[in-house]
Amino acid sequence: AQSVTQPDIHITVSEGASLELRCNYSYGATPYLFWYVQSPGQGLQLLLKYFSGDTLVQGIKGFEAEFKRSQSSFNLRKPSVHWSDAAEYFCAVGASGGSYIPTFGRGTSLIVHP
Amino acid sequence: NAGVTQTPKFQVLKTGQSMTLQCAQDMNHEYMSWYRQDPGMGLRLIHYSVGAGITDQGEVPNGYNVSRSTTEDFPLRLLSAAPSQTSVYFCASSYRDRGDEQYFGPGTRLTVT
Repeated sequence: AQSVTQPDIHITVSEGASLELRCNYSYGATPYLFWYVQSPGQGLQLLLKYFSGDTLVQGIKGFEAEFKRSQSSFNLRKPSVHWSDAAEYFCAVGASGGSYIPTFGRGTSLIVHP
Repeated sequence: NAGVTQTPKFQVLKTGQSMTLQCAQDMNHEYMSWYRQDPGMGLRLIHYSVGAGITDQGEVPNGYNVSRSTTEDFPLRLLSAAPSQTSVYFCASSYRDRGDEQYFGPGTRLTVT
């Protein structure tokens, strides 16, 4: 079965600083990988996804993620964080078998200091 | 399109009461699922459906029932509420492809006293 690990529960950055959120996955085949963002009191919104091809994926709101097969990682990055980026971020891996329902990590809470 | 809608937004139940959380989508998605979100636990899958008339259990199904009589609706029933079911519940839907994104509803915050 697939699994996702987000090793950082909380990340604190200053506004304008760069950001990297870590995600490691376990999956037997080529994974389908996702990053979602959850603003306070809201549902989840897709930031970006990776299926195949170029390992650097661009998403919405200036985010990007890089797939590294050798490290089983799919880290999310942003060069300059804005206060509005404060939110919960979830990494997910596409399911194996027939259900096609993804498995989510436990999330990383991003705190942005002015 | 309204996307994925959930009702109610908030609910308080007493232990032992039953209720149904409603979820509907207007995108003609085959797949629908229910998650619960608890602090530090991320999203955990309760039940899911791959089409009308087909449902299956997820990671934490105990105490919950689902049915899918139409493509649009996927209600979640709490049979006898317990304090451990205090959580935020999210419904999601997607097309039938493991690479497709999930569309989430706004959530239902449930408190069981």
